[in-house]
Amino acid sequence: EAQVTQNPRYLITVTGKKLTVTCSQNMNHEYMSWYRQDPGLGLRQIYYSMNVEVTDKGDVPEGYKVSRKEKRNFPLILESPSPNQTSLYFCASSPIGAYSNQPQHFGDGTRLSIL
Amino acid sequence: DQQVKQNSPSLSVQEGRISILNCDYTNSMFDYFLWYKKYPAEGPTFLISISSIKDKNEDGRFTVFLNKSAKHLSLHIVPSQPGDSAVYFCAARINTNAGKSTFGDGTTLTVKP
Repeated sequence: EAQVTQNPRYLITVTGKKLTVTCSQNMNHEYMSWYRQDPGLGLRQIYYSMNVEVTDKGDVPEGYKVSRKEKRNFPLILESPSPNQTSLYFCASSPIGAYSNQPQHFGDGTRLSIL
Repeated sequence: DQQVKQNSPSLSVQEGRISILNCDYTNSMFDYFLWYKKYPAEGPTFLISISSIKDKNEDGRFTVFLNKSAKHLSLHIVPSQPGDSAVYFCAARINTNAGKSTFGDGTTLTVKP
């Protein structure tokens, strides 16, 4: 089954404790992206990757890191989480990036609570 | 500066009637628009899209209209069904600006039986 898998689905942690949210897709998509969803703010793009070893900032990259060492994986790293990063996070992928006008496939989300 | 806006946070319609969800944008460079539907505890799923070279795209019960001069698009669902109850996001992108997508806040549609 074609899917984007995020782990964990839920996490409660404390300020300053490094965490990683994993994202994996089994569709051989070149493009992957991370979003956060906050009430009244919709989905805001954090980082995206057009292919292996190619990453770029979205609209709200501060406090986040990403890496794309393999095509299928695109982890989101919070080196020193803060309460304002409490949010619902979505990973997405699509073939051949934005140029192909392909819609994105989303994971089911990761709810992070930073205390 | 929110470049994509969905001004109605919620919409309630009766089963069988038409649902019209609206989206406004400010960036005239946007040339591709998508609608996604999201159920609780799931990720958004693609619904329908439209290129800026068109003014209408239809897929079954779903039709998207684009008015470039007004920088406005709308999603029509006819007839509406209870299973359509979800949050609908409008998204826009510029095809020469690789990878960036801008989403609206979403509109929660409730279809009453």
